[in-house]
Amino acid sequence: EVQLLESGGGLVQPGGSLRLSCAASGFTFSSYMMSWVRQAPGKGLEWVSGISGSGGRTYYAASVKGRFSISRDNSKNTLYLQMNSLRAEDTAVYYCAGSSGVTHFDFWGQGTLVTVSS
Amino acid sequence: QSALTQPASVSGSPGQSITISCTGTSSDVGSYNLVSWYQQHPGKAPKLMIYEVSKRPSGVSNRFSGSKSGNTASLTISGLQAEDEADYYCCSYAGSSTPVVFGGGTKLTVL
Repeated sequence: EVQLLESGGGLVQPGGSLRLSCAASGFTFSSYMMSWVRQAPGKGLEWVSGISGSGGRTYYAASVKGRFSISRDNSKNTLYLQMNSLRAEDTAVYYCAGSSGVTHFDFWGQGTLVTVSS
Repeated sequence: QSALTQPASVSGSPGQSITISCTGTSSDVGSYNLVSWYQQHPGKAPKLMIYEVSKRPSGVSNRFSGSKSGNTASLTISGLQAEDEADYYCCSYAGSSTPVVFGGGTKLTVL
């Protein structure tokens, strides 16, 4: 059974940093592109960042470029999102998602809530 | 990259069919057959319903179908059931620099 388990969310002050993790199991992790998708309270889905199976290629939404960094450790089957210079508008549930294709997300984690507030 | 445009809400009675539209541009929906659709129930993670415009993942009911014409993609749900009540999001490939764009979401109400 495919499982994605996010962790690392919480309350952080504006300007602060947070690192999210996503532990994967039940599939060949290194064969899948992985992404982070967020959802602000009561709002729609917003793609944040993606990384190729090997980790050699990374992609970012304009809203987070230069502040967030995506990475993966295929030996640990884990995806990461380093978030720096956090803003109130970064408040959201952050989902990790796996893609067998270019841009469709076959499976999702349950999400972790990040709240940026003073 | 701007979000894809979806109606805020649609509704239908059990047994009826409904269609949700998703309008993009020639830079995303119009250029690639890489549109996907997701169903999200309250408090739950999204679920893939359609990928590559019209393909259904294993386990998804054949009551769900997708299509595309020009810059607009569509999701049709036939034989509406109470459990179909949820939010639906479209998604498209939008080029190599910022590859993914979502629609704003559509709330489906089953009357």
